[in-house]
Amino acid sequence: NAGVTQTPKFRVLKTGQSMTLLCAQDMNHEYMYWYRQDPGMGLRLIHYSVGEGTTAKGEVPDGYNVSRLKKQNFLLGLESAAPSQTSVYFCASRGGGVWEQFFGPGTRLTVL
Amino acid sequence: RKEVEQDPGPFNVPEGATVAFNCTYSNSASQSFFWYRQDCRKEPKLLMSVYSSGNEDGRFTAQLNRASQYISLLIRDSKLSDSATYLCVVNTRGGDDKIIFGKGTRLHILP
Repeated sequence: NAGVTQTPKFRVLKTGQSMTLLCAQDMNHEYMYWYRQDPGMGLRLIHYSVGEGTTAKGEVPDGYNVSRLKKQNFLLGLESAAPSQTSVYFCASRGGGVWEQFFGPGTRLTVL
Repeated sequence: RKEVEQDPGPFNVPEGATVAFNCTYSNSASQSFFWYRQDCRKEPKLLMSVYSSGNEDGRFTAQLNRASQYISLLIRDSKLSDSATYLCVVNTRGGDDKIIFGKGTRLHILP
């Protein structure tokens, strides 16, 4: 039981490049979330999903897209990376009717 | 007023001391409250839920004050390993369920 895993753990991009961050959970959770965490800003919600095939915008969705084609996976895409997207990205999941979120170990992304 | 507010700290506390910090929330309809712990460069992890009657888990005590709209976390006999950032989390159920994280309070336990 791996919980929530994220790949990659680290990545350096050049401005304008694209990439996809993968989040996978093996707890059969309905809800999945993508956050970014910046110094002094706390965790900010980018996008979330309440079930397979659904996605919704969070607090800071601009510049990101997501997909939830399979219940266990939640993908975060950056189509054209910008230096402002340099951050630590956390994925989280939770079961229906339960508020506790389980977080992945994070992806540290630097955009030059 | 921000939805969830915490004193960012840092709180520098000698080992063995008792430390407490609060978190205020603005939405009176908030229903569930939690404290998460986040170690440096790690992911947040649930520390404890906060119930209306208050709850205790070893050296940690969490309390909810609905009238004044704040929750608190008390750590007794602090250990070096308690050094971390403590995040307050408030959930509001409604047409649009929301989970709001505070920015966290940094705690440094000094030897």
